Amino acid sequence: RKEVEQDPGPFNVPEGATVAFNCTYSNSASQSFFWYRQDCRKEPKLLMSVYSSGNEDGRFTAQLNRASQYISLLIRDSKLSDSATYLCVVNPPGRRALTFGSGTRLQVQP
Amino acid sequence: ETGVTQSPTHLIKTRGQQVTLRCSSQSGHNTVSWYQQALGQGPQFIFQYYREEENGRGNFPPRFSGLQFPNYSSELNVNALELDDSALYLCASSNDYEQYFGPGTRLTVT
Repeated sequence: RKEVEQDPGPFNVPEGATVAFNCTYSNSASQSFFWYRQDCRKEPKLLMSVYSSGNEDGRFTAQLNRASQYISLLIRDSKLSDSATYLCVVNPPGRRALTFGSGTRLQVQP
Repeated sequence: ETGVTQSPTHLIKTRGQQVTLRCSSQSGHNTVSWYQQALGQGPQFIFQYYREEENGRGNFPPRFSGLQFPNYSSELNVNALELDDSALYLCASSNDYEQYFGPGTRLTVT
């Protein structure tokens, strides 16, 4: 079983739609969680950290469910510029390295 | 921009050769991590340096080695290059669990 699993997509949605991505992780002792965004042939960029209480940043909302070991990302009012690959990232216990999922590709269409 | 820089941006090497990739961390960050990203995959952790000492290593063979310098910049060295080493090599700098990536070096091994 992979340490971090994501649906690869692609998710094709119209502008203005709401889209949600889920991700599951295998190590229940994982401590920190993040969503990164990666544009084609570019580096990953930190989108947001994910806190136990959930957190929101504009149109983006992240949730963490420790009991079920999954993380979600909700994007409201999708823009064309949201088209990218979204990487679910977990920090395993005992080290500062990040474990990445393979990413979920989002394509927002006009 | 993150302030993390990498050089070179692109590199073509022949199987069996050696390569050195360089990374300058963001000002004030004392930790550098290196990742390998194959096409269509999430980044895979190679190793991490904290204050010039290796601070964790992923499942990569010993021919992948590194250094961190007193100014916290870092090098990744790969010996005896193999075709499967073709990938985007990313470095990330941090002071805590949030890591910020440089633009990467795209290595092609022929």
